[in-house]
Amino acid sequence: GQQVMQIPQYQHVQEGEDFTTYCNSSTTLSNIQWYKQRPGGHPVFLIQLVKSGEVKKQKRLTFQFGEAKKNSSLHITATQTTDVGTYFCALLTGNQFYFGTGTSLTVIP
Amino acid sequence: NAGVTQTPKFQVLKTGQSMTLQCAQDMNHEYMSWYRQDPGMGLRLIHYSVGAGITDQGEVPNGYNVSRSTTEDFPLRLLSAAPSQTSVYFCASSYYGDEFEAFFGQGTRLTVV
Repeated sequence: GQQVMQIPQYQHVQEGEDFTTYCNSSTTLSNIQWYKQRPGGHPVFLIQLVKSGEVKKQKRLTFQFGEAKKNSSLHITATQTTDVGTYFCALLTGNQFYFGTGTSLTVIP
Repeated sequence: NAGVTQTPKFQVLKTGQSMTLQCAQDMNHEYMSWYRQDPGMGLRLIHYSVGAGITDQGEVPNGYNVSRSTTEDFPLRLLSAAPSQTSVYFCASSYYGDEFEAFFGQGTRLTVV
């Protein structure tokens, strides 16, 4: 089946530092979605990217889809303690969702 | 709207027992799905349904059954629980719009002893 590799698995940052997580695939993706899961919570949809080279912003979050549509990134500028959680990328192919393994972000006050 | 409701929130089973995890959504979404989440493994698709009366297998279907008799409900049955099925289970629903985002329930934490 489809696989998306996500790195890093864990990231600890000081509050105010930037954070980036990467999602990579060996095949061309038709779309990529990003979700956030707070500790003890459930995944919540953040955004979907479908176009080559697409960049979308949500306040301090910047999402990017690679030109070859084989990778994507989520960048958080000036992290805050509210950013704590696990960030997942996911792709929908056919009628199946495939999730990356997630990046767990810890923000140290 | 309640969104996606899962019950129970916690469950402990003995090996060999069977049980049903309930999932209901009130958003009239055609697509529903079940995932298990294990440490370091992300979310893995167990079964999914594109509409009432239609179900299909996902990535890790063994040991689980589903049915979809109505648009609202999508129960997941564990036929004979095994310790390897200890996990957090999430149900999700989606609608066939521009983004097809998944709306998740609160999850069920299952322990099989």
